[in-house]
Amino acid sequence: EIVLTQSPATLSLSPGETATLSCRASRSISRYLGWYQQKPGQAPRLLIYDASNRATGTPPRFSGSGSGTDFTLTISNLEPEDFAVYFCQQRADWPPYTFGQGTKLEIK
Amino acid sequence: EVQLVESGGGLVKPGGSLRLSCAASGFRFSAHTMNWVRQAPGKGPEWIAGISSSGSDLYYADSVKGRFTISRDNAKNFLFLQMDNLRAEDTAVYYCARLTTDIQVYNWFDPWGQGTLVSVSS
Repeated sequence: EIVLTQSPATLSLSPGETATLSCRASRSISRYLGWYQQKPGQAPRLLIYDASNRATGTPPRFSGSGSGTDFTLTISNLEPEDFAVYFCQQRADWPPYTFGQGTKLEIK
Repeated sequence: EVQLVESGGGLVKPGGSLRLSCAASGFRFSAHTMNWVRQAPGKGPEWIAGISSSGSDLYYADSVKGRFTISRDNAKNFLFLQMDNLRAEDTAVYYCARLTTDIQVYNWFDPWGQGTLVSVSS
């Protein structure tokens, strides 16, 4: 089973700043990594797929990068609605599909 | 509009059973692999079961294998999860989620339903 480790657990930033979230896989997953955003009381929503492709409706301030074992989600010029929990997920080797434990992006 | 609506959650005692349902609309249900993903309080999501578009292939996480059964009714656009021998650690919000089939956006969970809460406690 591929383990995904996200860091940091919590990130405190102000609107207008840039957030950098990390996801590391226990072994190479090529570019088969996605990012999801989850707001309180809501289901996760697909933001980025295949490491760097924005899903429909994802604003351009969200960008993904990486391959192999190290991946990054960058959110530029943070908007108030961006403060949420972000999860990474791999589809390289399943079952099982696996998720990271999440990074909470909170307002400083 | 693509929509997934779960139901059937509730409070159950350890060792008990529940059957979750997910009503799908707004897309060709019979063309998609469907899944159940759960999320315990304060934790990341955990994929637990998947079923191919025809229903012929079933996949389970080790944590639920032998206790949970996934099924579907393509004529009525429903996904099900039969949960038996429930344990306290099964307490979570249970989501149904569609796997994408588009050649550009392939094999990602999109969308998810709003979830249904399952609590296992004596």
